[in-house]
Amino acid sequence: DAMVIQNPRYQVTQFGKPVTLSCSQTLNHNVMYWYQQKSSQAPKLLFHYYDKDFNNEADTPDNFQSRRPNTSFCFLDIRSPGLGDAAMYLCATTPRLALQETQYFGPGTRLLVL
Amino acid sequence: GDSVTQMEGPVTLSEEAFLTINCTYTATGYPSLFWYVQYPGEGLQLLLKATKADDKGSNKGFEATYRKETTSFHLEKGSVQVSDSAVYFCALKNTDKLIFGTGTRLQVFP
Repeated sequence: DAMVIQNPRYQVTQFGKPVTLSCSQTLNHNVMYWYQQKSSQAPKLLFHYYDKDFNNEADTPDNFQSRRPNTSFCFLDIRSPGLGDAAMYLCATTPRLALQETQYFGPGTRLLVL
Repeated sequence: GDSVTQMEGPVTLSEEAFLTINCTYTATGYPSLFWYVQYPGEGLQLLLKATKADDKGSNKGFEATYRKETTSFHLEKGSVQVSDSAVYFCALKNTDKLIFGTGTRLQVFP
């Protein structure tokens, strides 16, 4: 089945040690999103790519970066994780930027910062 | 700005009970509306959606009708199962971004 895949499902890192989370999709969608979701909260959009165009949310900390080397893959880099960055990170895709289009989510990567 | 308001949870029901989770929104224009479900430890799955007024989205026994006059998109199911226990998010899309409500946890007991 076509899908959004996130690896790993669980990631443990140390305070201040850079970490990369990955997302891939077989849907051939133009748009890919990264969300942060803390416990019992709604997902919070960090940034998105429309094709190669990067769009950062105004309140996304500089500590969070992203790369999209090709249509299928998108990476979330956390340069110096703090304890407050422990969360579920969700990747999502959509075919195009239109009101009626659905966003398709991956299973998420749960990040633990020690 | 645009926003979504959901009823506070948790909602606790016995199996086969009727479910309603209220969702109202504030938005200019004609947004699309969505319900997503999140099972423990998982990502979000689209449950249903509606893209214009009076549309009814339905899936797996769940239904929601886009009511522009009351700016609502309440989720209903006639007979819940234990397997429906999850967090339900109402969301709107008025630009290229999804705006989520805070989520409502549903707990169904046998």
